[in-house]
Amino acid sequence: DTGVSQDPRHKITKRGQNVTFRCDPISEHNRLYWYRQTLGQGPEFLTYFQNEAQLEKSRLLSDRFSAERPKGSFSTLEIQRTEQGDSAMYLCASSTRLGGAETQYFGPGTRLLVL
Amino acid sequence: EDQVTQSPEALRLQEGESSSLNCSYTVSGLRGLFWYRQDPGKGPEFLFTLYSAGEEKEKERLKATLTKKESFLHITAPKPEDSATYLCAVQAPQGGKLIFGQGTELSVKP
Repeated sequence: DTGVSQDPRHKITKRGQNVTFRCDPISEHNRLYWYRQTLGQGPEFLTYFQNEAQLEKSRLLSDRFSAERPKGSFSTLEIQRTEQGDSAMYLCASSTRLGGAETQYFGPGTRLLVL
Repeated sequence: EDQVTQSPEALRLQEGESSSLNCSYTVSGLRGLFWYRQDPGKGPEFLFTLYSAGEEKEKERLKATLTKKESFLHITAPKPEDSATYLCAVQAPQGGKLIFGQGTELSVKP
C-alpha cells in the first residue's frame, strides 16, 4: 500500500518532554499538511509544505511547535516542552495539484497523550 | 472568517432508514468542498469533492450535493457498516489548508 504513513501511531509522554512525529507522504505528492484533532472536533490546520518550502503556519501554532520537510519527501513535527493541552491526534495529509483540483489524503494519525 | 458548520452533531438511524447530513459554509470564494469518513482512531478517508453549485456525486449508498451556501450528504438505505463520523471541509480559492466542520457522528443500528 502506498498511502500516507505516520510514525509512531501512539505516544505517551510526560509534561515537559519533547516529542517528534514523522510523516511519509504518497510518493508523487508535493504538498504535505499537518493537522491536529481533539475528541469530538474536526481536524484543525497546523502547517503545510510545498516540496521543502513551508508555505503557511497557523496562528494557533505556538513557538513550541516546529515542522520540517528537508528534502521535500518525509516531514517531521516536533513539540518541545509538551503540555497536557497538546494531547490530541496529529494527522498528516498529502496532495498534488492537477489543474484546480487538490484532494488531500490522510494518514492514520499519531495519538499523543501528555501526562 | 471562513467557517464550516455541520448538523446534526449525532444521528441514529435504523438499518434502511434514509436521511441527510448538512454542511453549511461561509468562505470567501470556494475552491472545493470535501466530504470525508472517519472511523474511530483512524485518519479521515476521502469520499467526494464538489466544486460548483448544482454538482452531485454518488458512491454506493452515499450522494453528495452542493449549493452556494451548503452541502448535503444523503445516505440511502444505510447499513451498520456506514456507522462513522462524516466530516465536511472547504478549501479557499488560494488553495492549501482545509477548514473542517466538527463532524456528524452517524450510528446505524441493525
